[in-house]
Amino acid sequence: NAGVMQNPRHLVRRRGQEARLRCSPVKGHSHVYWYRQLPEEGLKFMVYLQKENIIDESGMPKERFSAEFPKEGPSILRIQQVVRGDSAAYFCASSRTGTGGLTNYGYTFGSGTRLTVV
Amino acid sequence: GENVEQHPSTLSVQEGDSAVIKCTYSDSASNYFPWYKQELGKRPQLIIDIRSNVGEKKDQRIAVTLNKTAKHFSLHITETQPEDSAVYFCAASYNTDKLIFGTGTRLQVFP
Repeated sequence: NAGVMQNPRHLVRRRGQEARLRCSPVKGHSHVYWYRQLPEEGLKFMVYLQKENIIDESGMPKERFSAEFPKEGPSILRIQQVVRGDSAAYFCASSRTGTGGLTNYGYTFGSGTRLTVV
Repeated sequence: GENVEQHPSTLSVQEGDSAVIKCTYSDSASNYFPWYKQELGKRPQLIIDIRSNVGEKKDQRIAVTLNKTAKHFSLHITETQPEDSAVYFCAASYNTDKLIFGTGTRLQVFP
């Protein structure tokens, strides 16, 4: 079990370019969550996706940010026309299910992608 | 929506002493409360969690208590060691759909 895989680990983009961050969930996990962590701050929820569906995007900025989790392949967080304020660590997590109960959901974080906008 | 407050923001203790970190949450529907440890430049790692149907859970030197009435929960680390030094985050969620994190506590354990 390889765990949640995120790539790239580090990404440098110039202002105005696009950033594409990838997340492959734990095998068997159908729920993916993206979080952003600014330097010296906590993690902020961005978006929650299941295969081919966005369940909750209440934490996503209204412009320039989008996310998808296609039927095949990794989840992608896309940031268009990046600005310096987008520099942060972006963490992806996955779980087996988002529903209640007493089972262990295996909510696991990836190692993150550190985006630097220059 | 849910809001989680965490205190203190920094905590320094002598090796062997206990450390306590406290969090409060706003949404009474929240029923899952994990604690994460994050070392510099690394991913958050789950160290212990508690669900709303229990008031306390312990795992070796780590324990978490939950007071649903007051909507607060705490992390207790006993016999602290230098390797416990890290940033600790509490979080709350309803059915683990999304985690709302506290602002973090930087714990330093001095030998």
